[in-house]
Amino acid sequence: AQSVAQPEDQVNVAEGNPLTVKCTYSVSGNPYLFWYVQYPNRGLQFLLKYITGDNLVKGSYGFEAEFNKSQTSFHLKKPSALVSDSALYFCAVRDSWGKLQFGAGTQVVVTP
Amino acid sequence: EAQVTQNPRYLITVTGKKLTVTCSQNMNHEYMSWYRQDPGLGLRQIYYSMNVEVTDKGDVPEGYKVSRKEKRNFPLILESPSPNQTSLYFCASSSYQGSYEQYFGPGTRLTVT
Repeated sequence: AQSVAQPEDQVNVAEGNPLTVKCTYSVSGNPYLFWYVQYPNRGLQFLLKYITGDNLVKGSYGFEAEFNKSQTSFHLKKPSALVSDSALYFCAVRDSWGKLQFGAGTQVVVTP
Repeated sequence: EAQVTQNPRYLITVTGKKLTVTCSQNMNHEYMSWYRQDPGLGLRQIYYSMNVEVTDKGDVPEGYKVSRKEKRNFPLILESPSPNQTSLYFCASSSYQGSYEQYFGPGTRLTVT
């Protein structure tokens, strides 16, 4: 069975500094990996995905993620964080049947 | 506008009173799913449907029922709600073509007293 771990409950970063949100996964076969963001009182919004190809994936709002097969990681990054990036971020892995397994989520707090 | 809609958005009910949360998508997606979100636990899948008349259990199906009679609709039924089903519920859909990302509804906050 697949699993996803987000080791940090919360990440604090100053505006303008780089932001990293960590994710590691376990899955049989080739991983389909996703990042979603949830703003207060909203549903989840898709940020980016890795299916195959280039290990560095670029997504919405200036976010990118790096797939590392040897470390089974898929960390989310943004070179320069904005206060508006403060939200709850979820990593997810999809199995071959289409089922998504989500991590517990990481709260990102960006201070001015 | 492509979207997933859920109704109601907020619901307070009492133990044992049957309720249904509706979910509808206008993107002709084959796959639909229900999740519940609880603090510290992330999203856990309740049921999912690969297509019309095809449904299967997720990680936490106890106390819930679903049906998929039409492609666009995937209602979640709580036959006898209990306080431990107080949660935030999300419906989602996706296509098997292309990128597989799921589109989420706005959520339904359910309180069972």
